[in-house]
Amino acid sequence: NAGVTQTPKFQVLKTGQSMTLQCAQDMNHEYMSWYRQDPGMGLRLIHYSVGAGITDQGEVPNGYNVSRSTTEDFPLRLLSAAPSQTSVYFCASSIRQGTYEQYFGPGTRLTVT
Amino acid sequence: GIQVEQSPPDLILQEGANSTLRCNFSDSVNNLQWFHQNPWGQLINLFYIPSGTKQNGRLSATTVATERYSLLYISSSQTTDSGVYFCVARGSYIPTFGRGTSLIVHP
Repeated sequence: NAGVTQTPKFQVLKTGQSMTLQCAQDMNHEYMSWYRQDPGMGLRLIHYSVGAGITDQGEVPNGYNVSRSTTEDFPLRLLSAAPSQTSVYFCASSIRQGTYEQYFGPGTRLTVT
Repeated sequence: GIQVEQSPPDLILQEGANSTLRCNFSDSVNNLQWFHQNPWGQLINLFYIPSGTKQNGRLSATTVATERYSLLYISSSQTTDSGVYFCVARGSYIPTFGRGTSLIVHP
């Protein structure tokens, strides 16, 4: 199993540009989520999904969109990038929401200039 | 949501020393994990431990859910243990990360 994969590893955007961060898992996990990590802080939840077709907001959802058309994929879209979105983004998955272990992807380092 | 506090925020050790990292949470949890973020940024699962005690080599963890804390023990530390240790707790809402304990192990 590849586990949780993310692409790209690095990205530089100009303010106002849009882009999609890709996340995929091959463990047939129902629950997937996106986090951002800023310097000196833990990870904060952006959006999550408990299954295909179902998404919900986390702690810091503004400026991001998600969709879940398949069990495997959970892309994160930045609609109009801002410097405040400069961060490292992690995707995670678990079998189901709740009392289950989460597994994290390698992260995407995004810089918005 | 739940509040998660980790201590100490920073820790510097000589190789071979032992240490205890603490995670306090503000409400009852049904999910608690410890992660190690290595210097390359990768998040590595250490323990899934909503209650009880687990051991994996030089590392062990204990969660006392009724008293709302979890401890991570590192024995005979090695330079490869350097990095940031996070606990993440989930109650009835979304998972919440602590700010982490930054560990540096000198040879």
